[in-house]
Amino acid sequence: DAKTTQPPSMDCAEGRAANLPCNHSTISGNEYVYWYRQIHSQGPQYIIHGLKNNETNEMASLIITEDRKSSTLILPHATLRDTAVYYCIVTPGGGNKLTFGTGTQLKVEL
Amino acid sequence: GAVVSQHPSWVICKSGTSVKIECRSLDFQATTMFWYRQFPKQSLMLMATSNEGSKATYEQGVEKDKFLINHASLTLSTLTVTSAHPEDSSFYICSAAPGASGMYEQYFGPGTRLTVT
Repeated sequence: DAKTTQPPSMDCAEGRAANLPCNHSTISGNEYVYWYRQIHSQGPQYIIHGLKNNETNEMASLIITEDRKSSTLILPHATLRDTAVYYCIVTPGGGNKLTFGTGTQLKVEL
Repeated sequence: GAVVSQHPSWVICKSGTSVKIECRSLDFQATTMFWYRQFPKQSLMLMATSNEGSKATYEQGVEKDKFLINHASLTLSTLTVTSAHPEDSSFYICSAAPGASGMYEQYFGPGTRLTVT
């Protein structure tokens, strides 16, 4: 699986948009970009995934650059409950294993 | 939908004993299940991949005779930590991948915290 690079930590004010970047310059053509998050002492939670088009669901938006070498996860209106470690993972998807890096610790503050 | 449960949520056992952790997909059939381990302040480390009805595939460095994995049905996988030692104390998390076409995400259980005394 392609390796990803994320900033170790970010802060965001409650109610503002949180933009979490991820670099995946060695991504292969058949690999998806997945985002998961892990709130302290819980199992990871699926957020969103995409191949090359931008994606949006009830939780977040995923913006993938045209060359697919980087992406940004956007939480449009961050709340305190969004404080978590966010993982960007690239993988062929489906039943393929996920390799977790160190992720980004997002702290949402009042 | 897409809920994965784990039992127990936490367990304390004495050194040398065995502990079994169950992972269940409650509302979907899981062709593939994965087991991860997470030490404090570290990321998740994949231990093994199990497919229903076949032997698990272990990651390099994971002792298959110590961490026994059984995936007997499309909704249940078990991890047994045999002859547990204090260094096995960790947060164990399973995930399940639906086999249905078009469902590409994995769903994670809430985790089991194992403490070996």
